[in-house]
Amino acid sequence: EAGVAQSPRYKIIEKRQSVAFWCNPISGHATLYWYQQILGQGPKLLIQFQNNGVVDDSQLPKDRFSAERLKGVDSTLKIQPAKLEDSAVYLCASIRGRGDSPLHFGNGTRLTVT
Amino acid sequence: QKEVEQDPGPLSVPEGAIVSLNCTYSNSAFQYFMWYRQYSRKGPELLMYTYSSGNKEDGRFTAQVDKSSKYISLFIRDSQPSDSATYLCAMSANQAGTALIFGKGTTLSVSS
Repeated sequence: EAGVAQSPRYKIIEKRQSVAFWCNPISGHATLYWYQQILGQGPKLLIQFQNNGVVDDSQLPKDRFSAERLKGVDSTLKIQPAKLEDSAVYLCASIRGRGDSPLHFGNGTRLTVT
Repeated sequence: QKEVEQDPGPLSVPEGAIVSLNCTYSNSAFQYFMWYRQYSRKGPELLMYTYSSGNKEDGRFTAQVDKSSKYISLFIRDSQPSDSATYLCAMSANQAGTALIFGKGTTLSVSS
């Protein structure tokens, strides 16, 4: 079973620029999550999708962050404009059903904002 | 008070030592408790999962949950250099896949 795929692996941008991350979950996994992991901290949930609908985006900074999962498969997370404090690893995770376990994480995209 | 507290370490032990990692939490609604292992530049991978209070053992790893004290532990016996990683506790009030709250992680280094 192929794992959660994320790209790019690394991205360096200047503040106020925009950036997008891509995630392809494990085949058949209906639920997809984006987490933000700042250096030295645990992952923090940004948004949760069930198929192509948003379940929880309460911690997503909607003035600058957006995410979509149009066909219920892969997903993109965008930041526009980026701030210095957005420097972090952005992790995508998926599970088959809403209450299934465990969460399968990708290896993340490491974003550096200068 | 943060919902989940975890000492970030770092923790350094010699090979073969018994390692104890701990988290405390404040939300009494948490029922699902997990430990994830994260190697450098990799995503977290699930190590142990327990529901409610009690112990669970898997090889060299034992997870303990004490809901009355709001305290969870992960024990690693006969630690190996390959155990060197960051260990994240995570918990949820709902089923295991939803709304996980993570600790900061404890960085462990096992020297040979």
